[in-house]
Amino acid sequence: QKEVEQNSGPLSVPEGAIASLNCTYSDRGSQSFFWYRQYSGKSPELIMFIYSNGDKEDGRFTAQLNKASQYVSLLIRDSQPSDSATYLCAVTRGLIQGAQKLVFGQGTRLTINP
Amino acid sequence: EAQVTQNPRYLITVTGKKLTVTCSQNMNHEYMSWYRQDPGLGLRQIYYSMNVEVTDKGDVPEGYKVSRKEKRNFPLILESPSPNQTSLYFCATKTGSLSYEQYFGPGTRLTVT
Repeated sequence: QKEVEQNSGPLSVPEGAIASLNCTYSDRGSQSFFWYRQYSGKSPELIMFIYSNGDKEDGRFTAQLNKASQYVSLLIRDSQPSDSATYLCAVTRGLIQGAQKLVFGQGTRLTINP
Repeated sequence: EAQVTQNPRYLITVTGKKLTVTCSQNMNHEYMSWYRQDPGLGLRQIYYSMNVEVTDKGDVPEGYKVSRKEKRNFPLILESPSPNQTSLYFCATKTGSLSYEQYFGPGTRLTVT
């Protein structure tokens, strides 16, 4: 079982709809959860992070965390063609020799259709 | 402008020919790391450095070396590249080992034939 699992997609969503991206993780000790967006040929950029159970909203983006189910999701409301990218879920593995290490999922490719 | 730079951005080389990919940051960050990204496998950490002269292995360190002689630079060395090291490589930095937000460089696409 992979430490962090995502559906690789592609996920196709019509413009203006809600895109829902999901991620599960295996380490119950994980404390922090991140969503990165990566455009084709570009480097990942952080768009959301969440530490506590529940929802966290930032503009059109909402991150949802359920530690009991080991599940984290990202909702994108009013999807735009510019949201078309690969979304990477990342989870902290916990302190190892004083460092917070991130483990990434394989990413979900999202396409927003005009 | 705060940035992370990598050189070269693209490289095609042959098996066994030593190469170095440079990474430099101007944000005075203590923590730097190298990742490789492969289809279906996501980003995997190769090596990381918590500060000058302090480096440690990540999840996939085999075939790679690093050094951290200055705070701003963290080169990745492939002593004898092999085709299975063909990948997209990212350098990343963050303020300190306990901080969360990482800043990624633009990436280096390496092909080993």
